Amino acid sequence: QKEVEQNSGPLSVPEGAIASLNCTYSDRVSQSFFWYRQYSGKSPELIMSIYSNGDKEDGRFTAQLNKASQYVSLLIRDSQPSDSATYLCAATHYGNNRLAFGKGNQVVVIP
Amino acid sequence: DGGITQSPKYLFRKEGQNVTLSCEQNLNHDAMYWYRQDPGQGLRLIYYSQIVNDFQKGDIAEGYSVSREKKESFPLTVTSAQKNPTAFYLCASSINGQGPYEQYFGPGTRLTVT
Repeated sequence: QKEVEQNSGPLSVPEGAIASLNCTYSDRVSQSFFWYRQYSGKSPELIMSIYSNGDKEDGRFTAQLNKASQYVSLLIRDSQPSDSATYLCAATHYGNNRLAFGKGNQVVVIP
Repeated sequence: DGGITQSPKYLFRKEGQNVTLSCEQNLNHDAMYWYRQDPGQGLRLIYYSQIVNDFQKGDIAEGYSVSREKKESFPLTVTSAQKNPTAFYLCASSINGQGPYEQYFGPGTRLTVT
C-alpha cells in the first residue's frame, strides 16, 4: 500500500454544490495531514491542516480525519468556479518532517 | 513580504549540460526541500535539508546535487546524469523541531531539456 492514496478520478460538481475528496493513508505516516490546492501550472498552496480526530472547518473548507479507518477527507461547500484545481493530500512521515503526497484529485466546478 | 522565491520561472537547456535552480526563503525556516512534479504524477522528493550544512537524499536523488551553505538558500543542480530532467521543480520550506511540519512552496521552475 502506498503511504498516501487518492484514487478518485476527476470530480465535476455544479456551482454551489459540495465537493467531497477522500484520501487514505498507511501505517508509515503519522498523524499530521495536509490538503494543498494546485491550480494548473502553479505551485501547491496549503489550504488545510488537521492533526486530531474529527472535523476542522475553515471558511468553506472542512477537513475530516478518521484515525480508526485511516482516511482524511476534504469538503468544499458552496463550490465556486475558482475552486477548480487539483487537490493534493499529504501526511508526515514518522520521526521526521518529510511529507508523503498523494497523486491528487482534479476538481472541476461547472457554472 | 515573507516567502519563497525560485528562479528562473522557465529554463531551457541542451542535453548534457548541468543546470542550477535557485531557491531562497526569508521565512526563517530551518528545513528546505526539493520536489519534482511530472504530468499526472504526485510530488516526488529529490533532496531535503533540515539544517545548514546538512542534507539527505529523498526518493529520487540520482542525477541531482544540492548544497546548504546558508539557512535561506538551497540550490539544486540537475546534472547531465539525470536521464529525464524535463519537469516542474518545486522548492519548499518548513519549521524544524517538533512539528507540525507544514511545508510552504515557492512558485516553481519549469525545466525543459532538449
